[in-house]
Amino acid sequence: EVQLVESGGGLVKPGGSLRLSCAASGFTFNIAWMTWVRQAPGKGLEWVGRITTNTDGGTTDYAAPVKGRFTISRDDSKNTVYLQMNSLKTEDTAVYYCTTVSGYGDLIPYHWGQGTLVTVSS
Amino acid sequence: DIQMTQSPSSLSASVGDRVTITCRASQGIRNDLGWYQQKPGKAPKRLIYAASSLQSGVPSRFSGSGSGTEFTLTINSLQPEDFATYYCLQHNSYPYTFGQGTKLEIK
Repeated sequence: EVQLVESGGGLVKPGGSLRLSCAASGFTFNIAWMTWVRQAPGKGLEWVGRITTNTDGGTTDYAAPVKGRFTISRDDSKNTVYLQMNSLKTEDTAVYYCTTVSGYGDLIPYHWGQGTLVTVSS
Repeated sequence: DIQMTQSPSSLSASVGDRVTITCRASQGIRNDLGWYQQKPGKAPKRLIYAASSLQSGVPSRFSGSGSGTEFTLTINSLQPEDFATYYCLQHNSYPYTFGQGTKLEIK
């Protein structure tokens, strides 16, 4: 069974930093593209960014609102993907979901974690 | 970035009704589109991929269609468990983008 478990959320002041982790199990992590999606309270889903496999270069892409502030990385030895968030703004307040695809050739989120809440407030 | 305009933003319907939700892309995206269902407090669930392919395990009353810039999700014979919020997601080019969502409520 695929499991994605996010951690690291919490309360942070504007301008601060936070690193989210997503521990993966139940699938071959090192061949899986991983994506972060967020959802502000009472709002819709927002695609945040994605990292390819190290074989595919570990390439990252980001949504415009987070580009230059957020960094996605992965540690295949720990089956974990990270979301480093710097220069946080109040509008970054959201539940952050870690997601992955259903299998080879799939391109969009299929498996989702339970989410972790990040609150940016003074 | 590709903008996805989803309509309506909310919809009231009754059990047994047929409903249609539309997503329009700001430029052509072939059939690079998925549909998701989200219930309160839960992670989204993928219903449709490649615009019209039904995800395994999803009831056949759900169907998707479209290509290029206009896409629809149709739910036939609404069931009580279908009342939720629905989102489209384009994956034609980065950054991927979601529609704003359609909240389907019981009339």
